[in-house]
Amino acid sequence: DTEVTQTPKHLVMGMTNKKSLKCEQHMGHRAMYWYKQKAKKPPELMFVYSYEKLSINESVPSRFSPECPNSSLLNLHLHALQPEDSALYLCASSRGTGTVRATNEKLFFGSGTQLSVL
Amino acid sequence: AQKITQTQPGMFVQEKEAVTLDCTYDTSDPSYGLFWYKQPSSGEMIFLIYQGSYDQQNATEGRYSLNFQKARKSANLVISASQLGDSAMYFCAMREVSSGGYQKVTFGTGTKLQVIP
Repeated sequence: DTEVTQTPKHLVMGMTNKKSLKCEQHMGHRAMYWYKQKAKKPPELMFVYSYEKLSINESVPSRFSPECPNSSLLNLHLHALQPEDSALYLCASSRGTGTVRATNEKLFFGSGTQLSVL
Repeated sequence: AQKITQTQPGMFVQEKEAVTLDCTYDTSDPSYGLFWYKQPSSGEMIFLIYQGSYDQQNATEGRYSLNFQKARKSANLVISASQLGDSAMYFCAMREVSSGGYQKVTFGTGTKLQVIP
């Protein structure tokens, strides 16, 4: 199984809603990532988890709250989002942790959640 | 500062012809990795090819090859025998160690490739 599964594929929410994005992988990867991608832009790193611990937070607003319940799951909890948060949210995983200088570890991406905030 | 630069916002190529997508990068870390990803209109990011900073030979994966010129800090993707299914956005990316000691992957702005029948 070489897949990263993201649910839901599409999400429309109001600014007062609370919702969660889910990501799952069963490749035994110990690093998981959230990226945000606006239309016609490159993915921008939001968070990195290594061994279920948050290792990188790229100054993301607190209305985005990541959670890594176990080594296979990664959630992104959304609350009080703004219309400018509408984007494609991509989850990815890689084999090792950041402290290993294995620069050939490629990211495996999910197909993303297209989020629209009204 | 821009770490990964892709200067071609869009490219056209005739079907069955070869095309080169440009990528230059900037890092002071001697250990880094360079990747190319393909993103079709459906949104998923598909890994194409990898080049390590210490690799002596240019990477190849089927129709994809990477023209790695370390001194010039360039890592251009060459697609041979283009197919209609190659039409997509292509991102160059670099893995390096962040200030906190953890690895990050940063993407360039992308090149939209369109293959013409």
